[in-house]
Amino acid sequence: GQQVMQIPQYQHVQEGEDFTTYCNSSTTLSNIQWYKQRPGGHPVFLIQLVKSGEVKKQKRLTFQFGEAKKNSSLHITATQTTDVGTYFCAEYGNKLVFGAGTILRVKS
Amino acid sequence: KAGVTQTPRYLIKTRGQQVTLSCSPISGHRSVSWYQQTPGQGLQFLFEYFSETQRNKGNFPGRFSGRQFSNSRSEMNVSTLELGDSALYLCASSLGTGIPRTQYFGPGTRLLVL
Repeated sequence: GQQVMQIPQYQHVQEGEDFTTYCNSSTTLSNIQWYKQRPGGHPVFLIQLVKSGEVKKQKRLTFQFGEAKKNSSLHITATQTTDVGTYFCAEYGNKLVFGAGTILRVKS
Repeated sequence: KAGVTQTPRYLIKTRGQQVTLSCSPISGHRSVSWYQQTPGQGLQFLFEYFSETQRNKGNFPGRFSGRQFSNSRSEMNVSTLELGDSALYLCASSLGTGIPRTQYFGPGTRLLVL
């Protein structure tokens, strides 16, 4: 069935450093959604990508969808303590299938 | 607009018991999905309801069931609880039935099975 692999599992960065999480699939993805879950919270929708090679930005966050639609990335420039949380990618086929998530910790 | 609400927020049960969780979607949203989140298995899809009909179902045993009412509120039931059912149960609502669509998650119900 559908499966999205996400790496790294965990990343600890110094405040101000950049952070990137990657989402990969062995099959072509129809779309990618990204969610953020703060510690103790629930997933919150960030962005949706559907087109090959699509790039979207939200302030310090940059989201990319690969040309072959088999991978996606989320890049955060100059991390802040408010960026702490788990970032999930997910594909929406007939249901939402989530990657395992990347836990981001930021040292101030 | 009020967000997705879930009750109860916390629940402790013992093995063999059953539990019912409730979810009220965002006003106007007719699609409700349920997910189980555990440290080991991550976020897994349970089922989705739209207009009182189950549209999709994940790979969970028949002990997990759900329903949706005419006002779009949804309930999920887990019978004969097992220790492994301890998890955060998340409900998400969305507008319409198009794919893909944005899911708005509720705060979840944290279930502990002893």
